[in-house]
Amino acid sequence: GQQLNQSPQSMFIQEGEDVSMNCTSSSIFNTWLWYKQDPGEGPVLLIALYKAGELTSNGRLTAQFGITRKDSFLNISASIPSDVGIYFCAGQLGPRDDKIIFGKGTRLHILP
Amino acid sequence: NAGVTQTPKFRILKIGQSMTLQCTQDMNHNYMYWYRQDPGMGLKLIYYSVGAGITDKGEVPNGYNVSRSTTEDFPLRLELAAPSQTSVYFCASRYSWGGYEQFFGPGTRLTVL
Repeated sequence: GQQLNQSPQSMFIQEGEDVSMNCTSSSIFNTWLWYKQDPGEGPVLLIALYKAGELTSNGRLTAQFGITRKDSFLNISASIPSDVGIYFCAGQLGPRDDKIIFGKGTRLHILP
Repeated sequence: NAGVTQTPKFRILKIGQSMTLQCTQDMNHNYMYWYRQDPGMGLKLIYYSVGAGITDKGEVPNGYNVSRSTTEDFPLRLELAAPSQTSVYFCASRYSWGGYEQFFGPGTRLTVL
């Protein structure tokens, strides 16, 4: 099946550092989504991207829809303890595709 | 709005037992989904539905069944539980128009021994 390659798998950073993670695929995506999952909870949408080249911010989070439509990145600036969790990229292949494909996630740890 | 609710939160099954995972949403969403999440892995789609009376297979449907008799409810049935079905199960829903934001339930953690 279609795959999203998300990297890195995990990150250990100091509070206050910036974070960058990305997602790539061999397929072209119509929509890119970034979700965060807190421990014991379901994922929650952070940012949705609908156009190639689109750059969107949500507070300290910034995400971009790659020009080739095969990749996306998420940046978090000035990390804080509540940023800990798993970040998933997800994508919709075609405008009429009802399914969303998820990457395996990037687990973010913040060192005290 | 309660959003997406799932019951039970936790369950332990013996091999060969059956059970139904319940999912209800009160947002009048047409689209509903069932995912499973294995440790260290992303979400894999089991089944989905685009409206009452319509269901379709996802990536990993074997060993599961679903039904969608109402807009609100989308139960997932395990007929003969196997250890490979030990996972966390998430239900999600979204509107059929506009963006693609899926709203997720809190999950059901299932262990098959």
